[in-house]
Amino acid sequence: SQQGEEDPQALSIQEGENATMNCSYKTSINNLQWYRQNSGRGLVHLILIRSNEREKHSGRLRVTLDTSKKSSSLLITASRAADTASYFCATDLSGNTPLVFGKGTRLSVIA
Amino acid sequence: DTAVSQTPKYLVTQMGNDKSIKCEQNLGHDTMYWYKQDSKKFLKIMFSYNNKELIINETVPNRFSPKSPDKAHLNLHINSLELGDSAVYFCASSQPGQGIEKLFFGSGTQLSVL
Repeated sequence: SQQGEEDPQALSIQEGENATMNCSYKTSINNLQWYRQNSGRGLVHLILIRSNEREKHSGRLRVTLDTSKKSSSLLITASRAADTASYFCATDLSGNTPLVFGKGTRLSVIA
Repeated sequence: DTAVSQTPKYLVTQMGNDKSIKCEQNLGHDTMYWYKQDSKKFLKIMFSYNNKELIINETVPNRFSPKSPDKAHLNLHINSLELGDSAVYFCASSQPGQGIEKLFFGSGTQLSVL
């Protein structure tokens, strides 16, 4: 069964607004990662947060991790039209297992 | 230079044919992967190789055969293509660290089986 579930499935906002996407997972993790996928392209790594971290920043991105609730959120501040893409969370489980991806959130930023 | 490159970008073929997708990474990573993304954007692991050795095969039909001639290359051969094989196939690589570190993805191969 799927490990990560993003919420919402789709999000439409105006340029300049903040966008928040959530990810819930089911089992213990080593780390959780967020990726962006532009239409017709491969996934691009955005940020990684380890299980012993609670918050991480990278530019306009802010990621939080709550291991007690098994959830993470990705906040994109001051969104731009170029942020329009699908965003995926991926979990690194313990043991020799590959990253498990969620179904993604489709973000549309309207200029 | 593209870090992870895969060819072809588009592949249109008839049911029953055999086709291959090639992938190369110039990052010096030890681990390479094949992922399949369906029409609903769900990304599912197919195979994982570490230094030319298969380490994960996620219940993929044996019509799919990965081949890693060296740790920089991981090719995917598909026999007897079926309609349900239509999807986008992504190659990726990573370097193990504290668990699985970030993946670098190729730009994908869109396979259409008619």
